[in-house]
Amino acid sequence: EAQVTQNPRYLITVTGKKLTVTCSQNMNHEYMSWYRQDPGLGLRQIYYSMNVEVTDKGDVPEGYKVSRKEKRNFPLILESPSPNQTSLYFCASSTTVGQPQHFGDGTRLSIL
Amino acid sequence: QKEVEQDPGPLSVPEGAIVSLNCTYSNSAFQYFMWYRQYSRKGPELLMYTYSSGNKEDGRFTAQVDKSSKYISLFIRDSQPSDSATYLCAMSDRSTLGRLYFGRGTQLTVWP
Repeated sequence: EAQVTQNPRYLITVTGKKLTVTCSQNMNHEYMSWYRQDPGLGLRQIYYSMNVEVTDKGDVPEGYKVSRKEKRNFPLILESPSPNQTSLYFCASSTTVGQPQHFGDGTRLSIL
Repeated sequence: QKEVEQDPGPLSVPEGAIVSLNCTYSNSAFQYFMWYRQYSRKGPELLMYTYSSGNKEDGRFTAQVDKSSKYISLFIRDSQPSDSATYLCAMSDRSTLGRLYFGRGTQLTVWP
């Protein structure tokens, strides 16, 4: 089954403790992206990657890092999480840039 | 001003009604337009994808793009309770294809 898989689905952690949210897709997609969704603000793009070793900033990249070492994986790293990064995070992928994106089911992060 | 504006609703209609959902945008360079549906606790799923202006129909769903007015619409005919979800518009332009801009989403409830 074609899918985008995120882990963990839920996480409660404390300020400053580094964490990584993994994202993996099994569709051989070139393009991958991370979003956060907050009430009243909708979906905002954090980072995206057009191919292996190619990443770029979206609307809200501050406090986040990404890497794209392999085509299928695109982890989101919070080096020093803060409470304002409490949010619902989505990973998405598409065959190539500009094509419709397939989304994972989300990761709910709470940072205390 | 946000790049993409969408009335968050909520919108509540009886089963069988025709639903009209709309977004306006400010960037005249947008060329790719999408509508996503998001059920509670799930990731967005693609409903419609259109390029440039015009109409596109898929079953009970019709997407319209009016680039001269910077306005896009999604119509749902014969609405069903299973259509109850949040509907998100999204768009991108040719020069920055990696970036995808979302509206805030409209929450729709279809009651039996």
